[in-house]
Amino acid sequence: ILNVEQSPQSLHVQEGDSTNFTCSFPSSNFYALHWYRWETAKSPEALFVMTLNGDEKKKGRISATLNTKEGYSYLYIKGSQPEDSATYLCALPGTGNQFYFGTGTSLTVIP
Amino acid sequence: NAGVMQNPRHLVRRRGQEARLRCSPMKGHSHVYWYRQLPEEGLKFMVYLQKENIIDESGMPKERFSAEFPKEGPSILRIQQVVRGDSAAYFCASSRQERTDTQYFGPGTRLTVL
Repeated sequence: ILNVEQSPQSLHVQEGDSTNFTCSFPSSNFYALHWYRWETAKSPEALFVMTLNGDEKKKGRISATLNTKEGYSYLYIKGSQPEDSATYLCALPGTGNQFYFGTGTSLTVIP
Repeated sequence: NAGVMQNPRHLVRRRGQEARLRCSPMKGHSHVYWYRQLPEEGLKFMVYLQKENIIDESGMPKERFSAEFPKEGPSILRIQQVVRGDSAAYFCASSRQERTDTQYFGPGTRLTVL
């Protein structure tokens, strides 16, 4: 079993604020890290797949970094908007073919 | 290109009945994952399949649950003799490759066991 932890559990920010949250994982046997955005009553939407230490990915106002040696990834949102309100999940494959999801960071952007 | 399709979206069953959940992956995707979200919990891996093969079913309960991905047609998650504890949202996801490729999720099937 792979222990994937996300922090904080929830976050409330004002519109226009920038924010970031963390996904922590065991640094051994790393294959890839997936970030998803999950809005209420919808299905998880893929944001990034990161595979290399030092990777940085960007999609609009959202970006992510990866440190496989110390076992963490940061997700950043610049200038948060109400439509960014969602739960952000990270997931990693195990040594088999399982995928382990964190419990997510619930972001609420207050207009 | 149609996304991942799941049906039915909502399914109500009485205890002891069978539930069949279907998942049609995106075109060109041969890898299918099934996940379960129990109330107040996160997504839990159940099973990973490729066409005609179950690759990893380590997350699936050993009794009453089975999955298949035939050469033709959708992947099926089958739950026999459902119990109230099976009430959950069941999601499938598909990808072109394993592990390092993006998984695309379907809308989920919400199973309610009365």
